[in-house]
Amino acid sequence: DVVMTQTPLSLSVTPGQPASISCKSSQSLVHNDGKIYLYWYLQKPGQAPQLLMYEVSSRFSGVSPRFSGSGSGTDFTLTISRVEAEDVGVYYCMHSIQFPECSFGQGTKLEIK
Amino acid sequence: EVQLVESGGRLIQPGGSLRLSCAASGFPVSHNHMSWVRQSPRRGLEWVSVVYAGGGENYADSVKGRFTISRDTLKNALYLQMTNLGVDDTAVYYCVRGATHWGQGTRVTVSS
Repeated sequence: DVVMTQTPLSLSVTPGQPASISCKSSQSLVHNDGKIYLYWYLQKPGQAPQLLMYEVSSRFSGVSPRFSGSGSGTDFTLTISRVEAEDVGVYYCMHSIQFPECSFGQGTKLEIK
Repeated sequence: EVQLVESGGRLIQPGGSLRLSCAASGFPVSHNHMSWVRQSPRRGLEWVSVVYAGGGENYADSVKGRFTISRDTLKNALYLQMTNLGVDDTAVYYCVRGATHWGQGTRVTVSS
């Protein structure tokens, strides 16, 4: 099974400052069709996860352009260009080589300083 | 607007059975891959099962043989029949459309 490892597990960021979260997989996530089914979710307190990014770097509908995704192979990064108070929550990466069967990282908790 | 509303979660004793429901609106469940994903403090987010848009289903090894996923196209709903429940099945269960839309979840607690 592919293991997804996120770092850091928590971070505290001053509003207006950038933040980055890393997600590393135990094996390449490149699908037979050439795509990489790597997703990022944000779970705000008391809510279900909500999709931010799909296929590494595509923003889901309505997601702020402050969010961006990058990476290839086994190393991926979610970047928030300027953190705002509404970004608080737990961020998860998810891979799905055989969509929709998938596995998740352990989560990164973002707090505001 | 896409909406997913789960129900059926409750406190249940080990060995018991439970059926979760997910009422969908804004899209046809039969045209989408529909999954159940669960979340617990100990195991984090864990994919449980899927019924594919074209039919057929699949299960995580941890639930294979105990859980059954199904859908009702007339009611536009998704179900998860769970049997022989154990304490490790304690979690919030989410209904998920593809990879994009999640319901608010329903809590299952397995305890004596």
